[in-house]
Amino acid sequence: NAGVMQNPRHLVRRRGQEARLRCSPMKGHSHVYWYRQLPEEGLKFMVYLQKENIIDESGMPKERFSAEFPKEGPSILRIQQVVRGDSAAYFCASSPGQVQPQHFGDGTRLSIL
Amino acid sequence: KQEVTQIPAALSVPEGENLVLNCSFTDSAIYNLQWFRQDPGKGLTSLLLIQSSQREQTSGRLNASLDKSSGRSTLYIAASQPGDSATYLCAVKGNTPLVFGKGTRLSVIA
Repeated sequence: NAGVMQNPRHLVRRRGQEARLRCSPMKGHSHVYWYRQLPEEGLKFMVYLQKENIIDESGMPKERFSAEFPKEGPSILRIQQVVRGDSAAYFCASSPGQVQPQHFGDGTRLSIL
Repeated sequence: KQEVTQIPAALSVPEGENLVLNCSFTDSAIYNLQWFRQDPGKGLTSLLLIQSSQREQTSGRLNASLDKSSGRSTLYIAASQPGDSATYLCAVKGNTPLVFGKGTRLSVIA
């Protein structure tokens, strides 16, 4: 039973480009969460999705960031017009229900040149 | 707004010692509390989850306790080994999404 799969593991972008981060949840999990970890900081919640619906996006920056979890395929975190401050590790987690344990992927390390 | 604090931020101990990591949270209205381990450049591995109705959970050399009323949890590691070296994160789940502490960076010296 594969765990949460994130790709790519490392992503390098130049300022102004777009970054797309993908997350495939564990089999049977319909709840997906995205977190960001800045250097020397804890993980901060960004967005919570449940198949085709955004449940909570209170942690998402208001501009340039968007997330989706389509009926088919992985969840996508999209960052438009990236800036240096977007450099971080982005983690995805999935769970079978809202209050059940979340299982984390290995993250995508985004570097902005 | 829930806030989670972990003390100490870093800890270095000789192999074989028993140690305690601390986690405190400001809002006691939680569903559960999880302890995770994070190795450098890796994701999070769940170690223990304590439901709000429970007082402690044990897994091998790890024991986690929860005192919801005082907003505290401890992670006890017995007979530490160099392979235990990692960052340990505490996270609480309430009506808000998971809120994490900044972690305790543990080094176990052989």
